Amino acid sequence: SQTIHQWPATLVQPVGSPLSLECTVEGTSNPNLYWYRQAAGRGLQLLFYSVGIGQISSEVPQNLSASRPQDRQFILSSKKLLLSDSGFYLCAWSVGHSTDTQYFGPGTRLTVL
Amino acid sequence: AQTVTQSQPEMSVQEAETVTLSCTYDTSESDYYLFWYKQPPSRQMILVIRQEAYKQQNATENRFSVNFQKAAKSFSLKISDSQLGDAAMYFCAYRSPFMDSNYQLIWGAGTKLIIKP
Repeated sequence: SQTIHQWPATLVQPVGSPLSLECTVEGTSNPNLYWYRQAAGRGLQLLFYSVGIGQISSEVPQNLSASRPQDRQFILSSKKLLLSDSGFYLCAWSVGHSTDTQYFGPGTRLTVL
Repeated sequence: AQTVTQSQPEMSVQEAETVTLSCTYDTSESDYYLFWYKQPPSRQMILVIRQEAYKQQNATENRFSVNFQKAAKSFSLKISDSQLGDAAMYFCAYRSPFMDSNYQLIWGAGTKLIIKP
């Protein structure tokens, strides 16, 4: 069966510091991968998605970037964090095209101080 | 552009009773997918139920069922025999089947469900 991992689970970082969040999927090949952000009490905002290695599409211009160095690995990064980057970050995967369903990882809670 | 609206910020129900969460959406597409996700206090997003728009039959998953009204663009979730573990935020989401949408989900704002013991 497929599983998705995210780490770290919780992170507290100072403003201006770098960021690296990692997401990996097991048990499937060539998944579509997604990064979402959820502010407190709000819905999900799609940040990035990837349909293959090295292929990244950005939905919202911001202080963040994403990379996909391996088929089942998706990384969210920032060179300098802003206070507004605080939130809950969720990674999701899906397989296939029109009939796929997105399944989510456990999330990372990021606090920027 | 598609939109999803959940008009109930919060709902409460007595344990073992039935509750219905509302969701409406706006789209010009004829074929699409609708989802209900649950987000408990752990904040992991969990798929509850999924509906394909081309199917007239309402989806069911154990105690969870939907009332899909395509013409009215309504997609409500019914939870029967509510249990304490059902307490969570519930999100309705829409997805186009077309590649140019990048299969991204369009999310409602969520409904917080409180279960009273």
